[in-house]
Amino acid sequence: DAKTTQPPSMDCAEGRAANLPCNHSTISGNEYVYWYRQIHSQGPQYIIHGLKNNETNEMASLIITEDRKSSTLILPHATLRDTAVYYCIVSRGSSGTYKYIFGTGTRLKVLA
Amino acid sequence: NAGVTQTPKFRVLKTGQSMTLLCAQDMNHEYMYWYRQDPGMGLRLIHYSVGEGTTAKGEVPDGYNVSRLKKQNFLLGLESAAPSQTSVYFCASSYKGGNSYNEQFFGPGTRLTVL
Repeated sequence: DAKTTQPPSMDCAEGRAANLPCNHSTISGNEYVYWYRQIHSQGPQYIIHGLKNNETNEMASLIITEDRKSSTLILPHATLRDTAVYYCIVSRGSSGTYKYIFGTGTRLKVLA
Repeated sequence: NAGVTQTPKFRVLKTGQSMTLLCAQDMNHEYMYWYRQDPGMGLRLIHYSVGEGTTAKGEVPDGYNVSRLKKQNFLLGLESAAPSQTSVYFCASSYKGGNSYNEQFFGPGTRLTVL
C-alpha cells in the first residue's frame, strides 16, 4: 500500500474553506484515496473517497490530480466542529485485504 | 444499528496480566481489524480478519493474539501485558466489496494502561 505525506498542522478561519493537501506519489492504479478524520480521541470517521475523478458529498469535496499523485480535501465552510486530525489513506479497491496504513495526519484547527 | 462496539472502554492492567478485548459489529461485515494508537501517532494495524475463522498479521502483531469464531465478533488478546502495550485500541469492520471501495467503520476505542 502506498504511503501518504500530509502537513502536520493547519489553521482555518471559521466559515472559510479548509484545503487539506495530501501527497501519494507512489499510488498504484487500483488504489483508492480515502479521507478520514478523528475528533479528540474518538474512532476515525469516514469522510470521502475517490479513485480518479473529483468527488463531492455532503461533508466535503475531494480533488485528485490527473496523475493521481496528490489530492486535496476541501471542507467548503469550516466550523469549529471540524477541528480534528485528518488522515489521507490510499488502499486497494480490488479484492484483497483492504488494509489501511495511517500516517500522522494533519491537525486542523478551526479558529473562531 | 449499534455499528461497531468495543468492550471494555477502559482497563488498567499490571505487567504480566492477561486480558481480552471484544469487538462486535451488527452490519454483517466480512472484514474486521484491530488497530492501536499511541499518543500523537496514527493508527497501526495489529491483526485483521477477512472472514469467520480466519485471521492474519498486520504491522505490529507481536504480543497479541486474535480470534474470529463468529462473524460478528473479533477478539484481541494480550497473554502477558507489558507497559509498551499501553495504548488506545480501535476495532473496525468493513464490507467485502470486491472491486468497489472499502469504507471502514470504527468503534469508540478501548483505553488500556499497563502498569
